[in-house]
Amino acid sequence: DIQMTQSPSSLSASVGDRVTITCRASQSISNYLSWYQQKPGKAPKLLIYTASSLQSGVPPRFSGSGSGTDFTLTISSLQPEDFATYYCQQSYSTLSFTFGGGTKVEIK
Amino acid sequence: EVQLVQSGAEVKKPGDSLKISCKGSGYNFTSYWIGWVRQMPGKGLEWMGVIYPGDSESRYSPSFQGQVTISADKSISTAYLQWSSLKASDTAMYYCARRHMVRGGAFYDYWGQGTLVTVSS
Repeated sequence: DIQMTQSPSSLSASVGDRVTITCRASQSISNYLSWYQQKPGKAPKLLIYTASSLQSGVPPRFSGSGSGTDFTLTISSLQPEDFATYYCQQSYSTLSFTFGGGTKVEIK
Repeated sequence: EVQLVQSGAEVKKPGDSLKISCKGSGYNFTSYWIGWVRQMPGKGLEWMGVIYPGDSESRYSPSFQGQVTISADKSISTAYLQWSSLKASDTAMYYCARRHMVRGGAFYDYWGQGTLVTVSS
């Protein structure tokens, strides 16, 4: 199994802050990585696919980068509606599309 | 409009069997893999497995192989997740999601609303 490790597991930030979340794969996954946002009581929502492609309808303050084993999700200017939990997921291994453990973004 | 609509919440006893559903609409159901994802209370997302409704080929995470069965009925655009004998540890929210494939990977672009399964004696 490919393991996905996110850091930090949680963070506190203020509206307007730049926020960066990292995701590390246990082996190279090329750019086979996507990012999801989940709010309490809701289904996950796709933000980024193939490491850096913005899903239609997602605000451009969200961006993704990286390849190989190290990836980042950046929110350029945090908005009130962005407080949520964020997950990365690899799709390199067809045996198991593992998720990272999640990063909870809270209000400071 | 693409939609995945899941069946309602279930309360079961240990040892019971259960089958929950995920009905797709607004797209060609037979052309996209459907995946299932578990979220235990207060925990993260776990990928369980996928099925291709076109030919019912399925694949399972090693963690869930033998624990659940994923199936589909393409005639009614519905995928299923079933258990033959539930355990208390199966208590969780279960999501279905459509897998979209592009050059460079696959991702889940549409999700069901989730089905809460509670297993308690």
